[in-house]
Amino acid sequence: GENVEQHPSTLSVQEGDSAVIKCTYSDSASNYFPWYKQELGKRPQLIIDIRSNVGEKKDQRIAVTLNKTAKHFSLHITETQPEDSAVYFCAASTANAGKSTFGDGTTLTVKP
Amino acid sequence: DTAVSQTPKYLVTQMGNDKSIKCEQNLGHDTMYWYKQDSKKFLKIMFSYNNKELIINETVPNRFSPKSPDKAHLNLHINSLELGDSAVYFCASSQGRGIHIQYFGAGTRLSVL
Repeated sequence: GENVEQHPSTLSVQEGDSAVIKCTYSDSASNYFPWYKQELGKRPQLIIDIRSNVGEKKDQRIAVTLNKTAKHFSLHITETQPEDSAVYFCAASTANAGKSTFGDGTTLTVKP
Repeated sequence: DTAVSQTPKYLVTQMGNDKSIKCEQNLGHDTMYWYKQDSKKFLKIMFSYNNKELIINETVPNRFSPKSPDKAHLNLHINSLELGDSAVYFCASSQGRGIHIQYFGAGTRLSVL
């Protein structure tokens, strides 16, 4: 089955700096890669996703890149703000998998 | 209107008891899930249902029994609760299998004493 590794497990940055979270996956058939943000005490919510026919996608301060050959994808957050502090999960899935396989999460702390 | 709602929000109970968590989605989605999030924040899938049919059972102890009376509802019944069952349980739904955005409920925090 699919295995997703996520690094780092914790990340601390100064407000205004950039943050990068990286994930690798094992199943070359995976073709959908969402990122979820979970604020303290809240539910996970999708912030951005990318499909395998796209190499990069941006939405304001966040971007995701995908390298299918190397089987890794990354989340980039620029100009970080304290409200970006949360746990971020990457995931990978295929059309018929019936599930997404989640990474173990990255706790991002943005210090004002 | 809440898209994915689960009840109760908190559940405190004694070891050995049986409890149920209910989940409902009003998004018209075909696929629903149960996840367990432990104290280390790992998000682990337990079950997945597609149009009321069980499609994923991630080697969960058989004390856990999901039930989907229709595609808008997915309930989780837990028998003989153990200390290790303490966690936050999230229900989620998606339009279809695999490659669709998942919408999560607010979670049920289960504490087994």
